[in-house]
Amino acid sequence: GAGVSQSPRYKVAKRGQDVALRCDPISGHVSLFWYQQALGQGPEFLTYFQNEAQLDKSGLPSDRFFAERPEGSVSTLKIQRTQQEDSAVYLCASGLQGGSSYEQYFGPGTRLTVT
Amino acid sequence: QQQVKQSPQSLIVQKGGIPIINCAYENTAFDYFPWYQQFPGKGPALLIAIRPDVSEKKEGRFTISFNKSAKQFSLHIMDSQPGDSATYFCAASFPGDKLIFGTGTRLQVFP
Repeated sequence: GAGVSQSPRYKVAKRGQDVALRCDPISGHVSLFWYQQALGQGPEFLTYFQNEAQLDKSGLPSDRFFAERPEGSVSTLKIQRTQQEDSAVYLCASGLQGGSSYEQYFGPGTRLTVT
Repeated sequence: QQQVKQSPQSLIVQKGGIPIINCAYENTAFDYFPWYQQFPGKGPALLIAIRPDVSEKKEGRFTISFNKSAKQFSLHIMDSQPGDSATYFCAASFPGDKLIFGTGTRLQVFP
């Protein structure tokens, strides 16, 4: 079946602009995670949803970052007043969760460049 | 305590060689240890994973060795191929929780 999809794949924003990044998880997946991956680094956790509930947002770097998943499926990561340090690849992952299923499946990411 | 330390940073082997990538963790509450493979411009792809109740797991040419007492685990790639050239990340997580990634190992396999 279809994997995790993300859009746009590339986004260039001028400093100070707001951006919205979309994630379509694998159908039926309960959990959804957002990660940030700086160049040459491993992904770092931003936030986690189980269905529509945001259970952990401890990784969001500032109050300019906001995520939502209103119907428990598609999720949007919004960054307000973008700064150059926000330039990174933003990855979304989904998983079944529960029981012994811990696997997380990643989308291709959105590369954000703030100029 | 939540860090996962990965080495080496880069690795070069010839085709047919057996690259080994090592990871170490501190928190004994971690319950799930996956390895991801990432090609340039792509998202990480789940390769193989292990739980702490087993010491080894094989899937095709990929093997995880897990040493619970040493809090270390490693990835071995048997009969490596040029197509295996990618960046490999280890990770660890608490049950059903976020993944904590290592810093990555860039593997190059030459023909």
